[in-house]
Amino acid sequence: GENVEQHPSTLSVQEGDSAVIKCTYSDSASNYFPWYKQELGKGPQLIIDIRSNVGEKKDQRIAVTLNKTAKHFSLHITETQPEDSAVYFCAARYPNTGNQFYFGTGTSLTVIP
Amino acid sequence: DSGVTQTPKHLITATGQRVTLRCSPRSGDLSVYWYQQSLDQGLQFLIQYYNGEERAKGNILERFSAQQFPDLHSELNLSSLELGDSALYFCASSKEWGLNGYTFGSGTRLTVV
Repeated sequence: GENVEQHPSTLSVQEGDSAVIKCTYSDSASNYFPWYKQELGKGPQLIIDIRSNVGEKKDQRIAVTLNKTAKHFSLHITETQPEDSAVYFCAARYPNTGNQFYFGTGTSLTVIP
Repeated sequence: DSGVTQTPKHLITATGQRVTLRCSPRSGDLSVYWYQQSLDQGLQFLIQYYNGEERAKGNILERFSAQQFPDLHSELNLSSLELGDSALYFCASSKEWGLNGYTFGSGTRLTVV
């Protein structure tokens, strides 16, 4: 069935280090993968996305990579800052279920000053 | 401000009661999605409306119902409330049906006592 696995569930890094969050999807027909950042008391906010016709996308300190063969995609945050502390969700769009998005269970990232 | 407005922000009610959560989508967005986020849980998809019509249902209980009005705002009705219904309820909107990522509101925190 439709499934998105996300790891790790919690991640602590020192300020300035890099953070990597990984997700796996189950449907090879999935073609769009957004990432959301949820700060305390707020709704999830789209921070970056990638479509299946590219392997990598960067936006300043944030990058996302996609391996279609392995059905993996990852979020990379470099030079982490305390304001990067939040819960991050990955998602995958499943065309065979009416283009519904399925979300991972979230990664709580803490950046230690 | 994401442009998606949810009211109320907080709601405390007793078991067995009924409540209505309201969502106004971002200007120009035709799709509205409702999600439930319980403690330590990811985002559980409840239901989607597109231009006034129900398009998809997720793990929505029979005690819950929703509708989207001609002005595109949506309401989620929760009845016969149980303690386990305590959660954050998010509304999200998008222009087209599933083509791009969603814009989330800031949520309604429901506490059932």
